Amino acid sequence: AQSVTQPDIHITVSEGASLELRCNYSYGATPYLFWYVQSPGQGLQLLLKYFSGDTLVQGIKGFEAEFKRSQSSFNLRKPSVHWSDAAEYFCAVLLSGTYKYIFGTGTRLKVLA
Amino acid sequence: DTGVSQNPRHKITKRGQNVTFRCDPISEHNRLYWYRQTLGQGPEFLTYFQNEAQLEKSRLLSDRFSAERPKGSFSTLEIQRTEQGDSAMYLCASSPGSSGNSPLHFGNGTRLTVT
Repeated sequence: AQSVTQPDIHITVSEGASLELRCNYSYGATPYLFWYVQSPGQGLQLLLKYFSGDTLVQGIKGFEAEFKRSQSSFNLRKPSVHWSDAAEYFCAVLLSGTYKYIFGTGTRLKVLA
Repeated sequence: DTGVSQNPRHKITKRGQNVTFRCDPISEHNRLYWYRQTLGQGPEFLTYFQNEAQLEKSRLLSDRFSAERPKGSFSTLEIQRTEQGDSAMYLCASSPGSSGNSPLHFGNGTRLTVT
C-alpha cells in the first residue's frame, strides 16, 4: 500500500543550527511530493513541491528539499533555523492517476534559543 | 485570493448531536477536499469534490458523515449522532483544476470537541 513515513516524531535544534527532516514514501512510480508546515491551531501552508526535473527544489522561508529516487526519500533541509520555524512539518504524496494526497504523521520541530 | 475559509473555528457538542461545518474554497478552485486530523497525526483524507461531484470517499467516512457541494462552490460536512471519537480538527482544502498536480491550499480548520 502507498504510504508516507516520517521517522522522526520530534526534533529539537538550536537556533542557527542546520536542520534536516526525513521523509520516505512507498510507491511504485515517482509521485508528486510536497512539504507543508503547520503552526498550532492553524491550517497547513505549502513550503515546496517536487513534480519532475531538478531533484533539489527551493521553497519559501529558506527551505529546500532533495528528491532521491534510489532511496525513495524527499528530505527537507534548512541551513540555519530561526525560532519562528518551530512548528509541525508534514510530507505529502500525490498518488498518480488520482487526486488523493497522502500525508505523513508529521515531525514536530522545537527550536532552542 | 482570500484563502480557504472554514466556519466555525471551534465547535463543542454533546454526544449524539448533529453538527455541520462549512468550507468556502478559493473562488477559482474547482477541487475541494475534506481531511480529518487528530492529535499527533497527519491529515487523513475523507472525501474529494470536483466541482459539485463527489468523486472519492474514504472508508473512514462512516454513514454518519455526509458532505455536499451543491453548486460547486462552498461545501458542508455534516456529522450525525456524534461520538467522542469524532473529536478532531476537520480541515478543508482546495486546488485549481487546471493541473492534476496542483498543491492543496488549506483553511485553518474546524476543531470539534464531542463531550
